Amino acid sequence: AIQMTQSPSSLSASVGDRVTITCRASQGIRNDLGWYQQKPGTAPKLLIYAASTLQSGVPSRFTGSGSGTDFTLTISSLQPEDFATYYCLQDYDYPRTFGQGTTVEIK
Amino acid sequence: EVQLVESGGGLVQPGGSLRLSCAASGFTLSAYWMTWVRQAPGKGLEWVANIKEDGGLRYYVDSVKGRFTISRDNAKNSLYLQMNSLRADDTAVYYCVRDDTSYDGGVYYDVFDIWGQGTMVTVSS
Repeated sequence: AIQMTQSPSSLSASVGDRVTITCRASQGIRNDLGWYQQKPGTAPKLLIYAASTLQSGVPSRFTGSGSGTDFTLTISSLQPEDFATYYCLQDYDYPRTFGQGTTVEIK
Repeated sequence: EVQLVESGGGLVQPGGSLRLSCAASGFTLSAYWMTWVRQAPGKGLEWVANIKEDGGLRYYVDSVKGRFTISRDNAKNSLYLQMNSLRADDTAVYYCVRDDTSYDGGVYYDVFDIWGQGTMVTVSS
């Protein structure tokens, strides 16, 4: 199975900060990658698919980039509602695999 | 309103069985691949299985192969997960997920756009 490694596992940031989360695949996955946001006690929410396509309704401060093995999710100006855990997910091959998650906490 | 509602979770002994259901409303289930994703307490997300629109293709994570079966009844707008030989490490919240697959440039992308609220499965004696 393809392994997805996210970094960092957690980070502390302030409102207005620029935040970058990375995801590395154990093999090339083209751009077959999505990003999901999860808040405590709730189901995940899709932010980005195909590495860089913003899901409808998601604020433009979220951007995704990358191809092959290295991907990034960037939040240009962190908002209070963005404090959550973020997961990448590869959909290049079966079984689909998630990264271990990155928790964004308030500094 | 487009939504997914899971049911069927609960407490079961190791080696036991449970059948999860997911009722879809506000959209036609038969038009979508569907997926189950689980999350153990305090842990990350794990993709479990998915099934093609007509039920003709199914995929599983290795840890559940031979024990879990994903199925669907499009006439009832419902998705199922039959779980047998349950183990303690199957304890998790199980989410039903719609895959609004996107096709672009010859490539299909998973678009997990609608998630249920989740149902808790606890495997313990």
